[in-house]
Amino acid sequence: DIQMTQSPSSLSASVGDRVTITCRASQFINFYLSWYQQRPGRAPKLLIYAASTLQSGVPSRFSGSGSGTDFTLTISSLQPEDFATYFCQQSSSPPYTFGQGTKLEIK
Amino acid sequence: QVQLQESGPGLVTPSETLSLTCTVSGGSVSSGAFYWSWIRQPPGKGLEWIGYIYYTGSTDYNPSLKSRVTISADTSKNQFSLKVTSVTAADTALYYCARGRIPRSGWYQPLFDPWGQGTLVTVSS
Repeated sequence: DIQMTQSPSSLSASVGDRVTITCRASQFINFYLSWYQQRPGRAPKLLIYAASTLQSGVPSRFSGSGSGTDFTLTISSLQPEDFATYFCQQSSSPPYTFGQGTKLEIK
Repeated sequence: QVQLQESGPGLVTPSETLSLTCTVSGGSVSSGAFYWSWIRQPPGKGLEWIGYIYYTGSTDYNPSLKSRVTISADTSKNQFSLKVTSVTAADTALYYCARGRIPRSGWYQPLFDPWGQGTLVTVSS
């Protein structure tokens, strides 16, 4: 199985801050990487796919980059609704695997 | 807009079978080249893909669970279901159903969008 490792596991930041979350795959996954947002009590939501393509309706303050094994999710200016858990997922080969999540908390 | 909703018992006895259903609205489980999927998250742990049923009826499962898992679809009710046999406390988790889809040409495996809100299943006597 392809292991997905996210860092950090938690992060404290303030409204307006720029934050970056990283995701590393244990083997080459090309650009088959998606990012999701999970708010408490709500369904996970797709933010970015193909490492850098913004899902329709997602604010432009979210961006993704990377290919191969190393990927990043950046939020350029944190808004109150962005405090949530974020996780990455590879679609290179089954079984599809996820990062363990990064919990973004208000400082 | 496709929406998914999980349902089923919140408590299952060890060694018994866990059964969940996902009801799909705004779309059909029998068309559209989608992968109707189950994903779970044990308390305090990461997400684990369980498996999917393709719109044609074919299935694929995570090898770690394959011997105990069955995913099926009821097209007349526009639902798909999950069964996990011989459950233990390790099967306690928040279970999500999700639609898997291929987002564009050049992709060969699905991502998951949208998801249901999830249902907590506890395995305990």
